[in-house]
Amino acid sequence: GAVVSQHPSWVICKSGTSVKIECRSLDFQATTMFWYRQFPKQSLMLMATSNEGSKATYEQGVEKDKFLINHASLTLSTLTVTSAHPEDSSFYICSARVRSNQPQHFGDGTRLSIL
Amino acid sequence: AQKITQTQPGMFVQEKEAVTLDCTYDTSDQSYGLFWYKQPSSGEMIFLIYQGSYDEQNATEGRYSLNFQKARKSANLVISASQLGDSAMYFCAMRVLAYNTDKLIFGTGTRLQVFP
Repeated sequence: GAVVSQHPSWVICKSGTSVKIECRSLDFQATTMFWYRQFPKQSLMLMATSNEGSKATYEQGVEKDKFLINHASLTLSTLTVTSAHPEDSSFYICSARVRSNQPQHFGDGTRLSIL
Repeated sequence: AQKITQTQPGMFVQEKEAVTLDCTYDTSDQSYGLFWYKQPSSGEMIFLIYQGSYDEQNATEGRYSLNFQKARKSANLVISASQLGDSAMYFCAMRVLAYNTDKLIFGTGTRLQVFP
């Protein structure tokens, strides 16, 4: 149980393109989903916390207009990197949980490369 | 400030031996949770074990156990009978309260290499 699916696994696209990443909880309803960014050989940095039906809470330094998050249902959250540039290239990984005292379950991540 | 510290960038262990990965934390909260995740080279984050701040017994999950020393603010992960498949990055994380929700903050990780 507690499976989180993230799609796509890899994205390579040109600078200026917008990229959408989906995060789905397959066998549970996730009241909260999280989006992280991870640079090579570094730790996970939380970008934003997404609650179903409400606006996402962004961490300091994360541009809201650059990284659009939508959490339309209890099983789906999306991250859209708008007008992506090479510096946005990174590993993006989502997680979902049922309640606050439960562990976060992670998707497999998305490797984004902007040319 | 709330912080997770993993001081071992890398560790080596021989197959079938036990290994301890260190994690210390800093928080002023009375209620908090500590997690360990494994990240293989493929990238996914795999939940291993959880310890609540009020749990009196150390958490165990199969070959994983958490050596929780509250006074020292440490939550070390012990892997018994290491296997080659245990080679991966290991992250310690702490649940912290933030605004009207809570979030995880991660340590910098420890890369474990298991050799035959």
